[in-house]
Amino acid sequence: SSELTQDPSVSVALGQTVRITCQGDTLKNSHPTWYQQKPGQAPLLVIYNKNDRPSGIPDRFSGSSSGDTASLTITGAQAEDEGDYYCNSRDTSGNQWVFGGGTKLTVL
Amino acid sequence: QVHLVQSGAEVENPGASVKVSCQASGYTFTTYPLQWVRQAPGQGLEWMGWINAANGNTKYSQKFQGRVTITRDTSANTAYLTLSRLKSEDTAVYYCARGNDWFDPWGQGTLVIVSS
Repeated sequence: SSELTQDPSVSVALGQTVRITCQGDTLKNSHPTWYQQKPGQAPLLVIYNKNDRPSGIPDRFSGSSSGDTASLTITGAQAEDEGDYYCNSRDTSGNQWVFGGGTKLTVL
Repeated sequence: QVHLVQSGAEVENPGASVKVSCQASGYTFTTYPLQWVRQAPGQGLEWMGWINAANGNTKYSQKFQGRVTITRDTSANTAYLTLSRLKSEDTAVYYCARGNDWFDPWGQGTLVIVSS
C-alpha cells in the first residue's frame, strides 16, 4: 500500500508531551518528513531525515520510527504548536510522494 | 534567503485550463527539483508531481496523469503547473515547494477556483 494513515485529531495539555503517529507500509524502508500547517498558511517543514530539524524549529519537536509507524513528538507543547501536522514519504515505487491525511493538534 | 513566489488567484470555468507559476530566488534554480502539491478547501495535502529543474524530467501522480503538465523556464527561474479539463473538484490552493526528499521552502500558494 502507498497510503499513510494518521489520526484525525489529537489534543494535549499545555506543557505536556504529545505524539502524532503516521502508519504505512512505505515507512518500513524510509523515514517520513513532517510538516506543520497553520490556518491560512503554507506548510512548514519541521522534521526531515527521521529526526533532523530545520533552522528555527524548536528542539521540542522530534521524530522517530519503528517498523511501519513513524512518530512526531512534541515535548512540552506550546500554544503556538496548534495546527495541522502532515507526514509525507515516497510511495512503494519510490517515484512518487504521498501525504498522510493530517492530524489536527489542539493544545488545551 | 530562499523564496518561492507564486502567481495570483485564478477563477476558471469547468473544462478550461489553468497555469500557475512559481518563481524561485536565493539559490541556483537548477540544483533542486520543484514539487507541486494541492489542498482542497478543508482537506489535506495532495501531491501532484515534480520536475527536475536541471533537465526538465517530470513525474506525475497517477491521479492527474493526462491532465497535468509541469514545465520550467531556467532563464526565469520559474516552474509552471498546468492543469487542464478543470472540474469543480479542482478548486484548491496549489503550492510549489523546493526539494527532493523533503520540501522546503513552500510557495505562498495559489487559489484556483473552478466555477461557472
